[in-house]
Amino acid sequence: KAGVTQTPRYLIKTRGQQVTLSCSPISGHRSVSWYQQTPGQGLQFLFEYFSETQRNKGNFPGRFSGRQFSNSRSEMNVSTLELGDSALYLCASSAWQGPAKNIQYFGAGTRLSVL
Amino acid sequence: AQTVTQSQPEMSVQEAETVTLSCTYDTSESDYYLFWYKQPPSRQMILVIRQEAYKQQNATENRFSVNFQKAAKSFSLKISDSQLGDAAMYFCAYFSGGNEKLTFGTGTRLTIIP
Repeated sequence: KAGVTQTPRYLIKTRGQQVTLSCSPISGHRSVSWYQQTPGQGLQFLFEYFSETQRNKGNFPGRFSGRQFSNSRSEMNVSTLELGDSALYLCASSAWQGPAKNIQYFGAGTRLSVL
Repeated sequence: AQTVTQSQPEMSVQEAETVTLSCTYDTSESDYYLFWYKQPPSRQMILVIRQEAYKQQNATENRFSVNFQKAAKSFSLKISDSQLGDAAMYFCAYFSGGNEKLTFGTGTRLTIIP
């Protein structure tokens, strides 16, 4: 089985622009979660989707949004980029049933740099 | 809100020796999961081990084992026969079905000394 795939691996943007990151989960996984990792704040939860519905959202401004498609692939969007949005963005998927339920498997991440 | 605390920012161990990484957490829930993930310089977050809170038996995965003390809200990771490939950041994480999210500690950077 292929793992979680995140694209692109690296992004460089300037302040004020917007960006879209993509995540393809492990085949059969219907839950996709997004996390932001920075040296100062550590790993912080952004949001989680299951069957195209957002079930939980972290404490981030409305500039951060996401969605999930019927094939479970997910995208997250950040509008009006700020310097502080520079981070590693990690996507994780998990099975909704079975012995591996609630285990989140991570992609390699997208490194976003905002200049 | 749940919190996860890792009090050791850095640890080092001689190759082939044993090292224990500490983690404590705070929660009012009774049904949850605890995880250890490792993140090597490649940045890929890799699952090391999982513990279900309702299980009294400590989880083990080859050279990795945990000491789960539910009443004390402690969840330490023991790595036996340390290998150079074990060098990484190790994160302790908490998950409950009600929140559908992982809450991470700040991480412990493990260095393996040849």
